Amino acid sequence: QVQLQESGPGLVKPSQTLSLTCTVSGDSIGSGGYYWTWIRQHPGKGLEWIGYIQYSKNTYYNPSLTSRVTISEDTSENQFSLRLTSVTAADTAVYYCARGARKGVIVADTFDYWGQGTLVTVSS
Amino acid sequence: DIQMTQSPSSLSASVGDRVTITCRASQTISSYLNWYQQKPGKAPKLLIYAPSTLESGVPSRFSGSGSGTDFTLTISNLQPEDFATYFCQQSYSTPWTFGQGTKVEIK
Repeated sequence: QVQLQESGPGLVKPSQTLSLTCTVSGDSIGSGGYYWTWIRQHPGKGLEWIGYIQYSKNTYYNPSLTSRVTISEDTSENQFSLRLTSVTAADTAVYYCARGARKGVIVADTFDYWGQGTLVTVSS
Repeated sequence: DIQMTQSPSSLSASVGDRVTITCRASQTISSYLNWYQQKPGKAPKLLIYAPSTLESGVPSRFSGSGSGTDFTLTISNLQPEDFATYFCQQSYSTPWTFGQGTKVEIK
C-alpha cells in the first residue's frame, strides 16, 4: 500500500520560505511512471495544484506560483520536497503531497494517493 | 487556466436518495474529468476518472458521465458514509484545476 506523509513547520513568518517534505512508502519515487505532486487547500476553500516532479529531475509548476516554488527529491530517502519563497498570509493552507498517476484508455492524469495534509500558517 | 464550476455548492439529502452533482468547464476538456471525495479533516480520495471509470474499491453506486464541458457525478442509494464534499478536477491541460466543491449534507 502506497503511503505519503508530509512534515515540516506549521508556522512560517511572512516573507520567509515555506519548506515541506513528503516521505513515501510502498513505492519508489525514482522508479518513474508516476509524478510526485504538491497540492494545497486554503481554509474552507477548493484545491490548488502547485506542481510536480517526475523522472528524478523533471519539474512542472503552476504558472501562478512558478516564480516562488521549487520541488525537489531525494531518492535515497524516498522523499520529495516543496519550497515556497516570500510567503504571505495568502499562502496559509493545508498542503498535501500526492502521487500523480495516468489512468485509463485516454491516459488521464489523476491523484490516486494522498498524504493526510499539513496545515501551514503564515503569520508573524 | 480552465475554470471548473460545480453546482450546487451544497445540498441536503437523505439516506437512500439519488444525488446528482454537476461540473462545468470553461472550455472543452474532452473526457479529462476526475471526481474526488473529501471527508472533514481528511485528504481527498479519487473516486472516478476519465470521466466514468471507477477507481478500484469504489462502490458501484457512484457513477460519472459527460464530455466536452458538462459532467455529472451521480450517487444512487446514498449511504451514511457518502456525506462528504465532492470535487471535480480537469486533467485536460495544465495547470490542472479543481471545482470549488459540493458539500453533501444529511437532511
